[in-house]
Amino acid sequence: GAGVSQSPRYKVAKRGQDVALRCDPISGHVSLFWYQQALGQGPEFLTYFQNEAQLDKSGLPSDRFFAERPEGSVSTLKIQRTQQEDSAVYLCASSWSGGNQPQHFGDGTRLSIL
Amino acid sequence: AQSVTQPDIHITVSEGASLELRCNYSYGATPYLFWYVQSPGQGLQLLLKYFSGDTLVQGIKGFEAEFKRSQSSFNLRKPSVHWSDAAEYFCAVGAGGSQGNLIFGKGTKLSVKP
Repeated sequence: GAGVSQSPRYKVAKRGQDVALRCDPISGHVSLFWYQQALGQGPEFLTYFQNEAQLDKSGLPSDRFFAERPEGSVSTLKIQRTQQEDSAVYLCASSWSGGNQPQHFGDGTRLSIL
Repeated sequence: AQSVTQPDIHITVSEGASLELRCNYSYGATPYLFWYVQSPGQGLQLLLKYFSGDTLVQGIKGFEAEFKRSQSSFNLRKPSVHWSDAAEYFCAVGAGGSQGNLIFGKGTKLSVKP
């Protein structure tokens, strides 16, 4: 079975541009998480979806970050007016349900802002 | 607030030697604890998890971890390291509730000498 798929794997953008990162979770997984991993750091939580409902967006660093999962499967993380500090690896994870069930991670999107 | 501390940033061991990676957590109730491994350019792979019950947990690739409530620790061990174990290792605690996003430590990079 397919795992969590993220695209693109690498994204280079100029400061001020908008970017969109895609996550295709494991089929049937209800819960979907986005994390941000800065260089040399552990992943940090950004936002959580249960089906199409965004139940927690407390980790989003600013209002330039926006995530959606309109049909309860594929999710998109959008960053508007990118800044250099947005450079990081963005990881998506999914699980059958929340509640501390094991999360399955994609390989991430490495975002570089020039 | 929940937190995870991995005191060792980088550890080098010889192939065939034993390994112990340290993890300390801060959490008010019984924690859900995880160890993940990340190879360069890859996502995170779950090695093992602790939810309750037996405090010695067996995982994949010959890894085990022991939950010690009195020390707030969840150290990862392997009796004989292989060159392919070289990677970054992350300890994480579940944030609790029905959501279950993870709080990660900063990771320990493992190098293996031939």
